[in-house]
Parts: sequence; structure tokens; C-alpha cells
Amino acid sequence: GAVVSQHPSRVICKSGTSVKIECRSLDFQATTMFWYRQFPKKSLMLMATSNEGSKATYEQGVEKDKFLINHASLTLSTLTVTSAHPEDSSFYICSASNRQGYTFGSGTRLTVV
Amino acid sequence: AQSVSQHNHHVILSEAASLELGCNYSYGGTVNLFWYVQYPGQHLQLLLKYFSGDPLVKGIKGFEAEFIKSKFSFNLRKPSVQWSDTAEYFCAVSPQGGSEKLVFGKGTKLTVNP
Repeated sequence: GAVVSQHPSRVICKSGTSVKIECRSLDFQATTMFWYRQFPKKSLMLMATSNEGSKATYEQGVEKDKFLINHASLTLSTLTVTSAHPEDSSFYICSASNRQGYTFGSGTRLTVV
Repeated sequence: AQSVSQHNHHVILSEAASLELGCNYSYGGTVNLFWYVQYPGQHLQLLLKYFSGDPLVKGIKGFEAEFIKSKFSFNLRKPSVQWSDTAEYFCAVSPQGGSEKLVFGKGTKLTVNP
């Protein structure tokens, strides 16, 4: 079946630094990928839709300059959290759509200290 | 805008009890409907989905869901739960033929006691 690989699974960074999270579709091409943020005991909040070869579409309230998304190929999308602050600490999940529906990455636990 | 409502925040059952988790959505057009499960420490997995056709959908691990269009509902059911069903369950909706955005409900935590 379709597999989405997300890396790293866990990262700790200092406040003010940037962190890049990768999302790869391993056995299919994904023209569209999605980035979510999951808060403790809350649902997944869609942050942005990543479109291959074009700019990402951000949801209302999501700072596009802070959460940079690049979708340079049909199998790779990256999310860079720039100038991270403790309030950015969260669980970030990517997903890709395909004929079967949506496949999710295993998530990245970001802790900003 | 789409929204998904899951009424139960936390459900606690004993093994062999029957389960029904509620999900209602708000959207004016035709939708695709999904239930995902997230076991402790693991990523989201698809339980079942509805795109069209028979409104009673059977998924993995004995789960099923029924799409009732008039009620904008897609409730998840299982006749007899097991301890291993302990997890967080998410209902999600995406518009057909649209931007493919998947909108999630807030999730229902299911605890099954042995």
C-alpha cells in the first residue's frame, strides 16, 4: 500500500533556531500533500496544503513566513519552522492523497527549549 | 466551511461491549467520509472510508460505519470491542471534487477495560 515517510520523528531545538521536517511518498507520486498540527488532546489542525511546483495554500491563522513549505518534487514536501519558539512545540503530521484516500506520516514531535 | 463534530470526548467500555461513536459534519455539497484510528504512540491509520454507493461501509478490525445523508452523520460501530481497540478515533470529511482538504473532528478517546 501507499507509504508516507516523515523525518525526523522527534526533534529538540533551541528557541530562535529553525527546524526542517521532511515528508516523502515512498511508492507513489503525490501532487498534493498536507501538513497538520496536533495539539495534546485535540484534533489535527490543517496548517497548509502543499502543491508540487507551486506555492502552498495556508489555512487562516497560520503564519506562512513562520511555517515555510516547499514541495519541490512529486515525492517530497518539507515544512520548515523558522525562528522556533516554545509555543511552536507540537506534533506535526504530513499526509498525501492518492486513489485510496489519504496516507499519513508517522509524525514529528517538535520540542523547542 | 466544513466542520466535523464528534460528540463523545472519552468513551470507556468493558470488553465485549458494543461501540458506537457519533460523527456529524457540516458541508453543503457531496463529501467523502473517513474514520481514522490512532493507537497510543502510533500514527493515524485508516479504518474505513465512504466515497459513494452502499452507505453501510465495512472497515478493518470489525468496524463499520453508516452514512445517513439526511442526518449528515457517519457513525462508527463495532459489535464487540476488545482491549486492543483502546485508541483515539477521528472522523474526517473532504469535499468531493474539491481541494481534497481533509477536515478532522476533535477525536474520541476509547478506553476498553479488560
